[in-house]
Amino acid sequence: GQQVMQIPQYQHVQEGEDFTTYCNSSTTLSNIQWYKQRPGGHPVFLIQLVKSGEVKKQKRLTFQFGEAKKNSSLHITATQTTDVGTYFCAAPSYNNNDMRFGAGTRLTVKP
Amino acid sequence: DTAVSQTPKYLVTQMGNDKSIKCEQNLGHDTMYWYKQDSKKFLKIMFSYNNKELIINETVPNRFSPKSPDKAHLNLHINSLELGDSAVYFCASSQDRGFEPGWGYTFGSGTRLTVV
Repeated sequence: GQQVMQIPQYQHVQEGEDFTTYCNSSTTLSNIQWYKQRPGGHPVFLIQLVKSGEVKKQKRLTFQFGEAKKNSSLHITATQTTDVGTYFCAAPSYNNNDMRFGAGTRLTVKP
Repeated sequence: DTAVSQTPKYLVTQMGNDKSIKCEQNLGHDTMYWYKQDSKKFLKIMFSYNNKELIINETVPNRFSPKSPDKAHLNLHINSLELGDSAVYFCASSQDRGFEPGWGYTFGSGTRLTVV
């Protein structure tokens, strides 16, 4: 079954507003990954977080891994229309054989 | 050069038919996957192969049969197609389980299957 719960399912923002999506797990995670899927496209790997409390930035995107390694967030500052898409977190399966994807957060940006 | 390529990109077929989707990766990865993405965008793993050996076989009808002739190829054959099989099918690859920092999964561009 699903390893991580991701919220919100949908987010509509005005261009220039900030956006955050969250992933939560009931168990401690060895790592968490984030992907972006543009409309009509395929998921593209963005980043992996491994350390407790880790924060990584990619331009306007900030990724955080919680201190307990049970939650993570992706924050986009001042959204642009190019940010439109579905953002997925992924975490190791219960037997560590593969990565299991959250349900995704679909972001729409109104110009 | 496309890293993970799947064919065909679109597939429209009638119920009851048998069809195949092919996937090839040129990344030198040793693990390949098939995912099904439904209309709500949920990505569900179906199968995983590591060096041609089946690692993961989730609860998938046995009408779906993967085949890995070598570690660079993973094909998906579907028998007796049903309306509910309509979805986008993604192939992906990774080095080992994709846990090493910075690696992740590389996805193909997807095959949109429509069963009518």
